[in-house]
Amino acid sequence: EAQVTQNPRYLITVTGKKLTVTCSQNMNHEYMSWYRQDPGLGLRQIYYSMNVEVTDKGDVPEGYKVSRKEKRNFPLILESPSPNQTSLYFCASSPPGEGSYEQYFGPGTRLTVT
Amino acid sequence: ELKVEQNPLFLSMQEGKNYTIYCNYSTTSDRLYWYRQDPGKSLESLFVLLSNGAVKQEGRLMASLDTKARLSTLHITAAVHDLSATYFCAVDRGWETSGSRLTFGEGTQLTVNP
Repeated sequence: EAQVTQNPRYLITVTGKKLTVTCSQNMNHEYMSWYRQDPGLGLRQIYYSMNVEVTDKGDVPEGYKVSRKEKRNFPLILESPSPNQTSLYFCASSPPGEGSYEQYFGPGTRLTVT
Repeated sequence: ELKVEQNPLFLSMQEGKNYTIYCNYSTTSDRLYWYRQDPGKSLESLFVLLSNGAVKQEGRLMASLDTKARLSTLHITAAVHDLSATYFCAVDRGWETSGSRLTFGEGTQLTVNP
């Protein structure tokens, strides 16, 4: 089944404790992206990646890091989480080349930082 | 900076009625997407609109795009309870150079009452 998976789905952590949220897709998509969703703000893009070893900042990159060492994986790293990073996070991927660039979203990771 | 505004943000309607959700955006783009999100779930793609005048229909939902007016509409015909969800529009501002970069509206929370 074609899908985007995220782990963990739920995470409660404390301020300053480094964490990684994994994202993996099995559709051979070149483009991957991370969003955070907060009430009243819709979804905002954190980072995106056009291909392996190619990443760039989105609209709200502060406090986050990413890496893209393999095409299928795009982990989101919070080196020192803070309470304002409490949010619902979505990973998305889309195919390359001409076309609709429709993005396929993962199931989401709900993160709480205390 | 691209701004995407939806209205209304909250919509309570009765079954069988018609209504329209509006999505205005502030800069030129001819790629717009509509997504549906059920509580606690991920985003489900509804429509991809790729050119001025594009109109797409699926069941009781119809979406249109007017790039000159920078406006997209999502029209609901004869609403049923199953349509209760949050609907997001998203404007793609980066596809020509960097792959899909979506800016989302705040979302419209639709409740359809029996």
